Amino acid sequence: DAKTTQPPSMDCAEGRAANLPCNHSTISGNEYVYWYRQIHSQGPQYIIHGLKNNETNEMASLIITEDRKSSTLILPHATLRDTAVYYCIVYNQAGTALIFGKGTTLSVSS
Amino acid sequence: DTAVSQTPKYLVTQMGNDKSIKCEQNLGHDTMYWYKQDSKKFLKIMFSYNNKELIINETVPNRFSPKSPDKAHLNLHINSLELGDSAVYFCASSQDLGGRELFFGEGSRLTVL
Repeated sequence: DAKTTQPPSMDCAEGRAANLPCNHSTISGNEYVYWYRQIHSQGPQYIIHGLKNNETNEMASLIITEDRKSSTLILPHATLRDTAVYYCIVYNQAGTALIFGKGTTLSVSS
Repeated sequence: DTAVSQTPKYLVTQMGNDKSIKCEQNLGHDTMYWYKQDSKKFLKIMFSYNNKELIINETVPNRFSPKSPDKAHLNLHINSLELGDSAVYFCASSQDLGGRELFFGEGSRLTVL
């Protein structure tokens, strides 16, 4: 079972920042937070991951709270092509496979 | 070149038939996976292979048999297809068992009539 809670849907205006929250209150000390997204009918795409420090790459930023019980994925300037289902996944490196939850459907509109 | 490629992309068949979906990755990864995405859009792990060895078999019916001839290929054969097998099947690969940056294929949509 997924160990995360995400809102089922969010809207964002094109050009604005999209902030997608994720609660993972039962996260263990050695578990990472991963984010993937799935654009309609395509295979899921890796976005970013982190353990406890904030992370940034060319796609997004990941902000993890100090107690690690929640995180936020930030798309700084959302475009229409960012419309997708975003999955927040908690994972232990010694585990066997990623477990996907229901995710958040982000709709970006002009 | 597509990193993870699956064939066929679409498959329509009758109940009771046997079909296969092929997957190839050119990333040099050691680990490959099959995921199933049903009509409700839930993505569920089915199998994982590491260097041609089965690692995960998540309570999938025996009618599903994965085969890995080498670490670049993981094929999925399904016997006696049922209506409930209709779904999109995604193949994925990662550097190794601990790697969680998965690279997914574009999916194979199976429709059983």
